[in-house]
Amino acid sequence: SQQGEEDPQALSIQEGENATMNCSYKTSINNLQWYRQNSGRGLVHLILIRSNEREKHSGRLRVTLDTSKKSSSLLITASRAADTASYFCATDARGYSTLTFGKGTMLLVSP
Amino acid sequence: NAGVTQTPKFQVLKTGQSMTLQCAQDMNHNSMYWYRQDPGMGLRLIYYSASEGTTDKGEVPNGYNVSRLNKREFSLRLESAAPSQTSVYFCASSLNSGGSTDTQYFGPGTRLTVL
Repeated sequence: SQQGEEDPQALSIQEGENATMNCSYKTSINNLQWYRQNSGRGLVHLILIRSNEREKHSGRLRVTLDTSKKSSSLLITASRAADTASYFCATDARGYSTLTFGKGTMLLVSP
Repeated sequence: NAGVTQTPKFQVLKTGQSMTLQCAQDMNHNSMYWYRQDPGMGLRLIYYSASEGTTDKGEVPNGYNVSRLNKREFSLRLESAAPSQTSVYFCASSLNSGGSTDTQYFGPGTRLTVL
């Protein structure tokens, strides 16, 4: 079963706007990762946030983690057409060494 | 560095045929993974190998076998393909022998259709 579930399933915005995607998970985690997938390509790692961190930044990306609500959000500021992709959260369950990916959010950024 | 490479990129099989998907990485990573991606299902782990000489089942291992040939190569075999195995297959690798802080590096994928 899927550990992480992204919301919304699809998001359409204009260039320059901010995009926010959410991920909810079911069991306690050590870390949560976000990946991006451009159409027809493999996934690319964006950012990792540990369970004892609440917020992390990387360039135009901001990730938050609320372990009490078992949720995370990915914010992309000042979106560009090149940000058009699917975004996945990936979680681990304590004691396991593999990642479980959610179903993803498809982001479309229009010029 | 090529990173993670996969062959073939596309394949069409008839039901009952067999084939092997090849994956290689040149990053000296210890762990390697095979996923399948279906529309609306996200990525699901088929098998993984935390180190050379070891393999473990993932979420959806039925109908597949794997071989960790050496540290660089991890192959996925379909012994008798079924239409339900039509999917995009991704290989990935990570530096350490598993562990939740590992970043996974993905190959470009193999698009498999089983008729």
